[in-house]
Amino acid sequence: NAGVMQNPRHLVRRRGQEARLRCSPMKGHSHVYWYRQLPEEGLKFMVYLQKENIIDESGMPKERFSAEFPKEGPSILRIQQVVRGDSAAYFCASSRQGPNTEAFFGQGTRLTVV
Amino acid sequence: QKEVEQNSGPLSVPEGAIASLNCTYSDRGSQSFFWYRQYSGKSPELIMFIYSNGDKEDGRFTAQLNKASQYVSLLIRDSQPSDSATYLCAASTDSWGKLQFGAGTQVVVTP
Repeated sequence: NAGVMQNPRHLVRRRGQEARLRCSPMKGHSHVYWYRQLPEEGLKFMVYLQKENIIDESGMPKERFSAEFPKEGPSILRIQQVVRGDSAAYFCASSRQGPNTEAFFGQGTRLTVV
Repeated sequence: QKEVEQNSGPLSVPEGAIASLNCTYSDRGSQSFFWYRQYSGKSPELIMFIYSNGDKEDGRFTAQLNKASQYVSLLIRDSQPSDSATYLCAASTDSWGKLQFGAGTQVVVTP
């Protein structure tokens, strides 16, 4: 089952380092969504991307966070100068073209900032 | 005020009984509603979606939507220990991938 692939599954970074999280959508999917799940909390929408375009970044923190979905390759969520509060599970979801199509989630990347 | 609210639980349900989960939302622009199941340390898995008032049944699951009351519910019939998980209610105003999630209700099915 070639589902949504995220890597790495677990990532440990020291405060001040950069974290890069990768998401390869399901085959045939051109829409990617990133979510963050803090401990004991629900998932929070961060950003919605299509190939080479950011469609909606209303949930992205204003600083240190960026996302891209290049023409070739996976979507990348980049966190610069990580802080302890960035420790969370980051999930990527993908869907086909069109607004009313189900989004499938990847297994997530667990980021721990030490 | 949170946009999507759920009781956090845990909701303890005897095996074979009906589990009833509730969810309210505040954004009247919400069009579609989703129930996801999430096992500890795993990714969310879509159980059902609903966008019309009334009931929608799929196997042991029934989703109910009342837009006037801004209320969504999920019933799980004949609950099994494997149903023990956190159930996330979500709403979307446009794209089904851009979702407002509730904090989730933990369900524990006891043998």
